[in-house]
Amino acid sequence: AQSVTQPDIHITVSEGASLELRCNYSYGATPYLFWYVQSPGQGLQLLLKYFSGDTLVQGIKGFEAEFKRSQSSFNLRKPSVHWSDAAEYFCAVRRFYGNKLVFGAGTILRVKS
Amino acid sequence: GAGVSQSPRYKVTKRGQDVALRCDPISGHVSLYWYRQALGQGPEFLTYFNYEAQQDKSGLPNDRFSAERPEGSISTLTIQRTEQRDSAMYRCASRPTSGGSTDTQYFGPGTRLTVL
Repeated sequence: AQSVTQPDIHITVSEGASLELRCNYSYGATPYLFWYVQSPGQGLQLLLKYFSGDTLVQGIKGFEAEFKRSQSSFNLRKPSVHWSDAAEYFCAVRRFYGNKLVFGAGTILRVKS
Repeated sequence: GAGVSQSPRYKVTKRGQDVALRCDPISGHVSLYWYRQALGQGPEFLTYFNYEAQQDKSGLPNDRFSAERPEGSISTLTIQRTEQRDSAMYRCASRPTSGGSTDTQYFGPGTRLTVL
């Protein structure tokens, strides 16, 4: 069965600092990988996705993520965090021929000024 | 265009009551999904539809939970005889089957259900 691990429940970074949120997945083949962001009162918004090809993918709001097959990881990064990035971030995986998303437990990002 | 909408946004009910949660997907999206998100957890799959056909209901926790999408558009998730453990955020998502984003699920704002 697929699973997703987000090891960090909470992360606090200073505004302007760089950010990396970790995501590890368990799946026998190359899955489809996603990062979603959830702001208070909002639905889950897709930041970026990886299906194949270039292992470094760019998303919205200046986020990027790198797929590393050898580490079964898909970490989310941003070079300079803004206060508006404070939210909860979810990594998700989907099988190639599947439909349902399997989510990690999420990482809450706090941004301090 | 309009995104996925869900109603009500908040529902408080007493244990033993039935509740119906509604999802209105993005116009033209064929696939519709329901997820449940407990506090401090990520969303967990409940069921999904293609058009009006329920393709997978493996995530429904027990027979008190049911879902329908009779005309292939709006969907209703019904929980009968609610229990306190049913308290959670219920999320709906829809997915297009044509265009450039056929592998992306678009989520609504969710319905926060509290069972007293």
